[in-house]
Amino acid sequence: DAGITQSPRHKVTETGTPVTLRCHQTENHRYMYWYRQDPGHGLRLIHYSYGVKDTDKGEVSDGYSVSRSKTEDFLLTLESATSSQTSVYFCAISDNRVGTDTQYFGPGTRLTVL
Amino acid sequence: AQSVTQPDIHITVSEGASLELRCNYSYGATPYLFWYVQSPGQGLQLLLKYFSGDTLVQGIKGFEAEFKRSQSSFNLRKPSVHWSDAAEYFCAVGFSGGYQKVTFGTGTKLQVIP
Repeated sequence: DAGITQSPRHKVTETGTPVTLRCHQTENHRYMYWYRQDPGHGLRLIHYSYGVKDTDKGEVSDGYSVSRSKTEDFLLTLESATSSQTSVYFCAISDNRVGTDTQYFGPGTRLTVL
Repeated sequence: AQSVTQPDIHITVSEGASLELRCNYSYGATPYLFWYVQSPGQGLQLLLKYFSGDTLVQGIKGFEAEFKRSQSSFNLRKPSVHWSDAAEYFCAVGFSGGYQKVTFGTGTKLQVIP
């Protein structure tokens, strides 16, 4: 298994509070991704990173920010959580940007916003 | 824009029976195609991928998939299903860009009955 951990694994929070999810990898892969998974939508990309301090938006980035200060860590922040952000969040890593590369996924974080 | 369609939301098969999960894609160029499996509470694991060459691709856990360009399909098959195959299966198409962009289908949940 790829060395990817996510923390916390479960979180319940209230609307309006800030939340930070952490993804940690031990593979030294350059690319890191944050997805959210919702029933009927599959996985949708929130943000990605192509190196330390290099990040960009995905298709559903509104309400989310990210940071990557070290190769191994990629943080996802919900500045002010809303109920629509209740979801399962997955981090993924890949070594390359070519279409054939494999993305390896972390175990996920289940976030509930009340 | 690329898209992936998995027409079956749920499929139930008997243990020992054969399995075929359908996937259709829409993409203007040569597609890079993936099948991932997600067990409950887990992240996604790559089963197999296609990017060129032989259109019949072998994967892990006894799965195979066939790429049919004329039908824009990449169906996943297994000749004899085991109870441990119960999971959710995602088809995806990837392509190269500033990052590896992967578009996922909405998933097919497989139930295996004894």
